[in-house]
Amino acid sequence: AQKITQTQPGMFVQEKEAVTLDCTYDTSDQSYGLFWYKQPSSGEMIFLIYQGSYDEQNATEGRYSLNFQKARKSANLVISASQLGDSAMYFCAMRNTGNQFYFGTGTSLTVIP
Amino acid sequence: NAGVTQTPKFQVLKTGQSMTLQCAQDMNHEYMSWYRQDPGMGLRLIHYSVGAGITDQGEVPNGYNVSRSTTEDFPLRLLSAAPSQTSVYFCASSYSGLSYEQYFGPGTRLTVT
Repeated sequence: AQKITQTQPGMFVQEKEAVTLDCTYDTSDQSYGLFWYKQPSSGEMIFLIYQGSYDEQNATEGRYSLNFQKARKSANLVISASQLGDSAMYFCAMRNTGNQFYFGTGTSLTVIP
Repeated sequence: NAGVTQTPKFQVLKTGQSMTLQCAQDMNHEYMSWYRQDPGMGLRLIHYSVGAGITDQGEVPNGYNVSRSTTEDFPLRLLSAAPSQTSVYFCASSYSGLSYEQYFGPGTRLTVT
């Protein structure tokens, strides 16, 4: 069964605007970790941000923030003040207590100058 | 500190051939994993290991074997390559625990003809 759902295959955003990338997850675990990764066209996987299932505050890392709504099982990534270098694939992932990571199918973000 | 290294970067195999993709990390991480990335499918977990001598299957283990004789190394063996195994393969490592992100290698692009 699919554990992570990213429903936006492609997104466009104007430079300097904010954008939200959607992620919903499915788990029966009480404890889990949620992650976002960036994959530029060069192919490497870059860790962006982490949110724990028991964290009460939304995680933030610079221009990245994670809008965590536990009851809705969503963990949306918000990028503020988009830059041209933000154009990339973005993957949402979940780590469960069984030590397995599940990734979504990704969202391709294009920043328009 | 090299992080996670993978060899080779590119490989072409004929159907039925076998080969080993190498992965090594120098961060003393307990957890190591192998993924394959196919267009539109995100990253899918093949096998993972929570420590030397311990391995387990992920989502798509068929046709692949792994072993973990040391903390540093986690090779992935393709037993009899098939065209369906054409993909980009990523190795990753992390500390065990829900809050730890994975560090990824640069990937191996494998083509099976």
